[in-house]
Amino acid sequence: GQQLNQSPQSMFIQEGEDVSMNCTSSSIFNTWLWYKQDPGEGPVLLIALYKAGELTSNGRLTAQFGITRKDSFLNISASIPSDVGIYFCAGVYNTDKLIFGTGTRLQVFP
Amino acid sequence: DGGITQSPKYLFRKEGQNVTLSCEQNLNHDAMYWYRQDPGQGLRLIYYSQIVNDFQKGDIAEGYSVSREKKESFPLTVTSAQKNPTAFYLCAVSRSPEEKLFFGSGTQLSVL
Repeated sequence: GQQLNQSPQSMFIQEGEDVSMNCTSSSIFNTWLWYKQDPGEGPVLLIALYKAGELTSNGRLTAQFGITRKDSFLNISASIPSDVGIYFCAGVYNTDKLIFGTGTRLQVFP
Repeated sequence: DGGITQSPKYLFRKEGQNVTLSCEQNLNHDAMYWYRQDPGQGLRLIYYSQIVNDFQKGDIAEGYSVSREKKESFPLTVTSAQKNPTAFYLCAVSRSPEEKLFFGSGTQLSVL
């Protein structure tokens, strides 16, 4: 079946550092979504990308839809303690099928 | 998301028991989904419904059942046939299958 490879699995960084994570696949996607999940809560949508090459920002977060349509990147600038959580990518393929990456666990130290 | 309510937040199941997780939405969205999340894992699709009175199996439907009698409601029953039910269960909704998902706050199910 379809698979999304999300990396890194986990990151331990110091407050103020920039963070970068990505999702890759051998398949082509129509939409890329990035979510953040706090412990014991549901994922919250951060950014949605709809076109190849699209670059979208949401505050300190910036995400890009890869030009090949097979990957996407999420960057967080100047990390703060509340950035802690699990970040998931999700991709839509075949117009209506959605799959999730396995998540990147982010830990921020003061 | 305030428009999606999952209850209860915590649920305990005895062996051989069926339990039902509730998901209600007031967003007037057509599509609803149930996902299972195991510790340190991603989300796996259990069932989804694109319209009232219709639903489809996801990747891990065995041991689960659903109904969609009303647009606002999509309850999930974890049956006794599900041998490893301990997990975090997430309900999600979207305007249509190809649009972004919005999630409820989840139900943690544990086995006594």
